[in-house]
Amino acid sequence: QKEVEQNSGPLSVPEGAIASLNCTYSDRGSQSFFWYRQYSGKSPELIMFIYSNGDKEDGRFTAQLNKASQYVSLLIRDSQPSDSATYLCAVNQGSNYQLIWGAGTKLIIKP
Amino acid sequence: DADVTQTPRNRITKTGKRIMLECSQTKGHDRMYWYRQDPGLGLRLIYYSFDVKDINKGEISDGYSVSRQAQAKFSLSLESAIPNQTALYFCATSALTGTSTDTQYFGPGTRLTVL
Repeated sequence: QKEVEQNSGPLSVPEGAIASLNCTYSDRGSQSFFWYRQYSGKSPELIMFIYSNGDKEDGRFTAQLNKASQYVSLLIRDSQPSDSATYLCAVNQGSNYQLIWGAGTKLIIKP
Repeated sequence: DADVTQTPRNRITKTGKRIMLECSQTKGHDRMYWYRQDPGLGLRLIYYSFDVKDINKGEISDGYSVSRQAQAKFSLSLESAIPNQTALYFCATSALTGTSTDTQYFGPGTRLTVL
C-alpha cells in the first residue's frame, strides 16, 4: 500500500491561473516534505521543501503543510507553459532520512 | 559540468546479461542512492549508501547489487538482467547534515531496456 498519494492527473490549467497540486501521506511521524519537478525524460529537480505547518513561499511557488490532516500542497501562481511537467511529492519520515515518493501529478498549462 | 553524472545514458541489453550502471558525483556528498522509475509507480529505492562502508537495501533490491568504490562513486549491477528490469534508473546524492531536510540531487538517468 502506497504511503504517499498523489492524483496522477493530468491536471490542465490555463496560462496565468493558479495550479494547485495535492499530496497526502500516511505516516503521522513524517518530518519534512519535498516537491520536485520532473520534465519528461529528465531527472527530478527540487522546487522546495517544508517542515512546519503553514505556508512557505518561494517566488511563484507556495508549499502548504497541514500535519493534522496529513496533506501537503503546492500552489503555482501565474502558471506558465514552461511549468508543464510532472510534480513529485516526497516525504521524509525521519527514521533514516530516506524519502518516500508519490507517483507524481502531471500538470499541463494551456496557452 | 554536471554535479552528478551517470553512465551509460542509454543501454539496450539482452536477458541474462550482466550490466553495470555507474554514478559519479563532485558535490562532496556522503550519501548516495539508486532508484528506478517506472510509469505510474514513481521512484522506488533500490540501494542506498551513507558512506563507503555502509550499504543498505532499499525497497526493491532483489536482482540488483551495488558497490561504493569511493565517496564519489556508486555503481549498480544487474547480475542477470530480465525484461521487467527495463526502466529509467537514477542515481542521487545528499549531504550528511543529520536533519530531515537533506535534499537529494539527481543524476540525468540511465534508460535501460532488457530484451
